Amino acid sequence: AQSVTQLGSHVSVSEGALVLLRCNYSSSVPPYLFWYVQYPNQGLQLLLKYTTGATLVKGINGFEAEFKKSETSFHLTKPSAHMSDAAEYFCAVSDYGGYQKVTFGTGTKLQVIP
Amino acid sequence: EPEVTQTPSHQVTQMGQEVILRCVPISNHLYFYWYRQILGQKVEFLVSFYNNEISEKSEIFDDQFSVERPDGSNFTLKIRSTKLEDSAMYFCASTRGGTNEKLFFGSGTQLSVL
Repeated sequence: AQSVTQLGSHVSVSEGALVLLRCNYSSSVPPYLFWYVQYPNQGLQLLLKYTTGATLVKGINGFEAEFKKSETSFHLTKPSAHMSDAAEYFCAVSDYGGYQKVTFGTGTKLQVIP
Repeated sequence: EPEVTQTPSHQVTQMGQEVILRCVPISNHLYFYWYRQILGQKVEFLVSFYNNEISEKSEIFDDQFSVERPDGSNFTLKIRSTKLEDSAMYFCASTRGGTNEKLFFGSGTQLSVL
């Protein structure tokens, strides 16, 4: 069975500060890992994904995440928060090497304070 | 970027009524999914659909639910007799398939069962 745990349902950062959203996963096979963002009244948008290969993955809008197998983690970071980053972020895992069944975390709402 | 389109954006229904949620996936996509998000909870997988049949479904997807691709463009989710606990945001998603392909989500249908 696969699962993800997102630490912190709400995170607040100042504009320009580092963004760090935490995600730990559990998977019985090498996982595929994803971060999605959901802006108010919008659907889910893929930020980035890890499949195989390089463990540091760069995504859209300046976000990146590092797959750490030893820590079973896939934390999302951005060096400098922007007001437009305020949204809900979901970590997700798939065992199937694709999208056959994606399991989402409970989400982290990011607030950016001016 | 291509979009998955969902209609309606909001649907209000009485308990026990049938509802049909409609989705138009991206035209060259082959795999189709429904997910739902109950307010304040995580996004949950409902069902995946490929080659005109269900390929996987979750325990949520009981006999009250059905999916159909009636005309090669629309992908529908039917709830036969709605319950209060069916109130949620329902997301449709599609992908061409393959590990390097993106999963595209629609903006969702907010279903309210009264």
